[in-house]
Amino acid sequence: DAGVIQSPRHEVTEMGQEVTLRCKPISGHDYLFWYRQTMMRGLELLIYFNNNVPIDDSGMPEDRFSAKMPNASFSTLKIQPSEPRDSAVYFCASTTETTKRNGYTFGSGTRLTVV
Amino acid sequence: AQSVSQHNHHVILSEAASLELGCNYSYGGTVNLFWYVQYPGQHLQLLLKYFSGDPLVKGIKGFEAEFIKSKFSFNLRKPSVQWSDTAEYFCAVNGNNRLAFGKGNQVVVIP
Repeated sequence: DAGVIQSPRHEVTEMGQEVTLRCKPISGHDYLFWYRQTMMRGLELLIYFNNNVPIDDSGMPEDRFSAKMPNASFSTLKIQPSEPRDSAVYFCASTTETTKRNGYTFGSGTRLTVV
Repeated sequence: AQSVSQHNHHVILSEAASLELGCNYSYGGTVNLFWYVQYPGQHLQLLLKYFSGDPLVKGIKGFEAEFIKSKFSFNLRKPSVQWSDTAEYFCAVNGNNRLAFGKGNQVVVIP
């Protein structure tokens, strides 16, 4: 299995622009998580899906952030408009009901820089 | 909601020294506990996990961790570190269908 695949690996954008981050979970995994990593706040859970349905989005910082999972093999995290304080590494992770106690599998992350 | 505390964010030690990283969690239900490692510029990788049974768990690369329920702790240890262990280490607790992470320990091993 190719693991959790995220794209792009790096994104540099100007303040005010729309940014879309993408994630392909491991085939068969029905849980998908979006995390944000910063020096100040560490790893924060933004939102997670189960069977393509958003279950908890309480970690989404504000309305500028939105996430979708149109099917079992694809999810997006969108920031519109982007701001410099959104600069961070965004990780996607996936797991299943039976394997989640074995931990989650993380993607390589997208390093976002908003200038 | 669960939470995780890690102390001594920055740790610097020499090769062959012993390493111990503390982790305390709070969660009222049945916990699954994890240590993840993040090498420079890479994603998180699972080091070891605990969900039941022997409270002393062994992971990859010579790491082990001990679950002490009465202390709500899950400390990570390695008897003799190598330069290649330079990384950031995260403790995490799984509850309510989500992983909550500590702030991490940045470990630098000097050759």
